Amino acid sequence: KQEVTQIPAALSVPEGENLVLNCSFTDSAIYNLQWFRQDPGKGLTSLLLIQSSQREQTSGRLNASLDKSSGRSTLYIAASQPGDSATYLCAARRPDKLIFGTGTRLQVFP
Amino acid sequence: DVKVTQSSRYLVKRTGEKVFLECVQDMDHENMFWYRQDPGLGLRLIYFSYDVKMKEKGDIPEGYSVSREKKERFSLILESASTNQTSMYLCASSSKSGRARDTQYFGPGTRLTVL
Repeated sequence: KQEVTQIPAALSVPEGENLVLNCSFTDSAIYNLQWFRQDPGKGLTSLLLIQSSQREQTSGRLNASLDKSSGRSTLYIAASQPGDSATYLCAARRPDKLIFGTGTRLQVFP
Repeated sequence: DVKVTQSSRYLVKRTGEKVFLECVQDMDHENMFWYRQDPGLGLRLIYFSYDVKMKEKGDIPEGYSVSREKKERFSLILESASTNQTSMYLCASSSKSGRARDTQYFGPGTRLTVL
């Protein structure tokens, strides 16, 4: 059974720092891995999707990498800003559904 | 932009009531999903659908049913609401093809309280 774990569960950093959020999954037979952002009380916003054949994806200050063999993905946030404060979720896609991690709650303070 | 809308942001119902949660997407996506999100448990898949009139059980279908009569609309039904169904309900949709294939787009969520 696929399990997805995110470490750390919470993170508080000063503005300007570069951050790494970690996601690990137990079964390497995934189709893709997706990173989401969720603001309090809101739905999820898709940030990046990495297909199983890819190693990384970039969007602005965000970079996500995927290492299937080790069962890991990382989300790198460059030059963090207070507006980046949110919960970040990763999800590994099996043939028919996404398996979500429980998220990393990020706070960036000025 | 993809838009997924849900009929209510907040809903309060009584135990035993029949509850309908509606989800509509405007991007002609084939796939639609219903999740619930609870603290410490993350998102769990209730039901999903890959086509009109088609449905598949997710991880926690007990106490729920769904309906997909039109491609753009996916309804979640709580036949007899119970207090343990108090949760945040999230709808999502995705396409089977194209550049954004597989990317799931989520609605704003419905926070349901069952008293």
